[in-house]
Amino acid sequence: DAGITQSPRYKITETGRQVTLMCHQTWSHSYMFWYRQDLGHGLRLIYYSAAADITDKGEVPDGYVVSRSKTENFPLTLESATRSQTSVYFCASSVQGNTEAFFGQGTRLTVV
Amino acid sequence: GNSVTQMEGPVTLSEEAFLTINCTYTATGYPSLFWYVQYPGEGLQLLLKATKADDKGSNKGFEATYRKETTSFHLEKGSVQVSDSAVYFCALSDSDDYKLSFGAGTTVTVRA
Repeated sequence: DAGITQSPRYKITETGRQVTLMCHQTWSHSYMFWYRQDLGHGLRLIYYSAAADITDKGEVPDGYVVSRSKTENFPLTLESATRSQTSVYFCASSVQGNTEAFFGQGTRLTVV
Repeated sequence: GNSVTQMEGPVTLSEEAFLTINCTYTATGYPSLFWYVQYPGEGLQLLLKATKADDKGSNKGFEATYRKETTSFHLEKGSVQVSDSAVYFCALSDSDDYKLSFGAGTTVTVRA
């Protein structure tokens, strides 16, 4: 199906474990973004990418790692999960950085 | 850096009431401005946008005008419906770095 998909939709993991959230888009959009959504904070940018092999930090990058070896994929890895990383994570893509962004359905991550 | 400030919620209205959500921004370049909406359990979707000063974005009865002199992009709807109940996010994308930055979100509940 065309669009932007995130997997898994729900994940429970333990403190200290590594976990990877997947994001795949079928439009060949240049820009991709990862946000976390927390009550009272809205959406905060974790990392973004302007093209394959180009990534940059956002507002809250600590504890996260990204890669973008292919245009269509932009996985987000929590190297050693902490409870403070319990959140809803959204991936988004756009043709250019200042055009409409299309969002995935989100991944609800719980770290216990 | 760039930032977006929007009025805090929650906002509760009766059907057919007038809705205004205030949004102001700071940006280093010349931003594009957006309103996104998030319905319960879903990702964000674009509601409307404006790319230059004095532009008016409109969609589904919602309107917002890009005011450079007051650095504002307030969202308005003249007569809300129960189906407008959602979280509304103001966002900007700066022409310098293309990061999409969001406000904290405003939860709107419309009662029949």
